[in-house]
Amino acid sequence: NAGVTQTPKFRVLKTGQSMTLLCAQDMNHEYMYWYRQDPGMGLRLIHYSVGEGTTAKGEVPDGYNVSRLKKQNFLLGLESAAPSQTSVYFCASSLRGRSPGELFFGEGSRLTVL
Amino acid sequence: GQQVMQIPQYQHVQEGEDFTTYCNSSTTLSNIQWYKQRPGGHPVFLIQLVKSGEVKKQKRLTFQFGEAKKNSSLHITATQTTDVGTYFCAGSLFYNQGGKLIFGQGTELSVKP
Repeated sequence: NAGVTQTPKFRVLKTGQSMTLLCAQDMNHEYMYWYRQDPGMGLRLIHYSVGEGTTAKGEVPDGYNVSRLKKQNFLLGLESAAPSQTSVYFCASSLRGRSPGELFFGEGSRLTVL
Repeated sequence: GQQVMQIPQYQHVQEGEDFTTYCNSSTTLSNIQWYKQRPGGHPVFLIQLVKSGEVKKQKRLTFQFGEAKKNSSLHITATQTTDVGTYFCAGSLFYNQGGKLIFGQGTELSVKP
């Protein structure tokens, strides 16, 4: 049982380049999330999805786009990368309920923008 | 917007000492969750509190949810080196906010043997 899988795990980009981070979960979870983690800032919510075909903005959505075309996948896109987007990105998923249940996290994707 | 504040940011203790981290929200929460992240790892779920005034224990860990559902704490008794890591609280508003879950900044715990 793979749980939540993120690809790639590491990536170096130049300013202005674009890329997509892929998150896949095999637990049939409704909710999926993208967080970024920076020193001293904790985990900040970028975008999230409460079901296939739906997305919503989190705390820090600017500069990112997301898509949830399939229930098991949640893609995070950077159209024009900036050094401020250097971070560790975590994807997570959870079951649907009155409020989010336990979050299952992927192992993270470390992105460096030069 | 909704904010979840967590203090302290860092805590250094001698092995055997107790440790507490506090979490405060600017708004009433539907529930609060706690996670642990080991150095270089990803956050791992510890517990969820839902009821006002709720107290839950896991071995040496005690979790509390405030009466007003705006604050929470995690207390570790007699810390061990295996407790090293960053502890996060995460809160959600009532279900009309959908699946939004906001994390505190975390408390990094180091334990000196």
